Amino acid sequence: QKEVEQNSGPLSVPEGAIASLNCTYSDRVSQSFFWYRQYSGKSPELIMSIYSNGDKEDGRFTAQLNKASQYVSLLIRDSQPSDSATYLCAVYYAGGTSYGKLTFGQGTILTVHP
Amino acid sequence: KAGVTQTPRYLIKTRGQQVTLSCSPISGHRSVSWYQQTPGQGLQFLFEYFSETQRNKGNFPGRFSGRQFSNSRSEMNVSTLELGDSALYLCASSLEGYEQFFGPGTRLTVL
Repeated sequence: QKEVEQNSGPLSVPEGAIASLNCTYSDRVSQSFFWYRQYSGKSPELIMSIYSNGDKEDGRFTAQLNKASQYVSLLIRDSQPSDSATYLCAVYYAGGTSYGKLTFGQGTILTVHP
Repeated sequence: KAGVTQTPRYLIKTRGQQVTLSCSPISGHRSVSWYQQTPGQGLQFLFEYFSETQRNKGNFPGRFSGRQFSNSRSEMNVSTLELGDSALYLCASSLEGYEQFFGPGTRLTVL
């Protein structure tokens, strides 16, 4: 069973701080990794995609991937109250049985308080 | 570029009825994946269509089915609805099947 685990949270950080969200996955044969943000009552929104080891930065967001440790993280710098949402880690596993299927973690609820 | 659209946005049905949900992907995207989201189970994969062919199917009963048309629009059908089918149904559009963009979802309530 290919699984994706996220730190359960909820995570609460003050405005302006760095929020760190973590995710581990169970299978080494995984190719692509994604972070989605989901506001209450809304659908998931893709905020970061990462495919190779290392860091990828996009504005206040940095995704980090370590395939040897089977670990992917998302850092949000200068956190704002508008960042308060559920963050979902998703993994795309290689192989014919995985076409079009993202495996999601349970999500981490982030609250940024003023 | 227009995003993914789903219709209807809300549905209320009774047990035993059937329902059809529709999804229009981003222009140029040929892959459409469907997911069910519930508070207890999170996001669960239903199936994926690519160029009118079902390439993958999740662990859902045969009451859940889908199809894709030549213009990449996709429909999902649930027959003989059960209370446990109440959920947010999401479709996601992508070029190749992995970097997926979600529509707003259809909220289905089964009474």
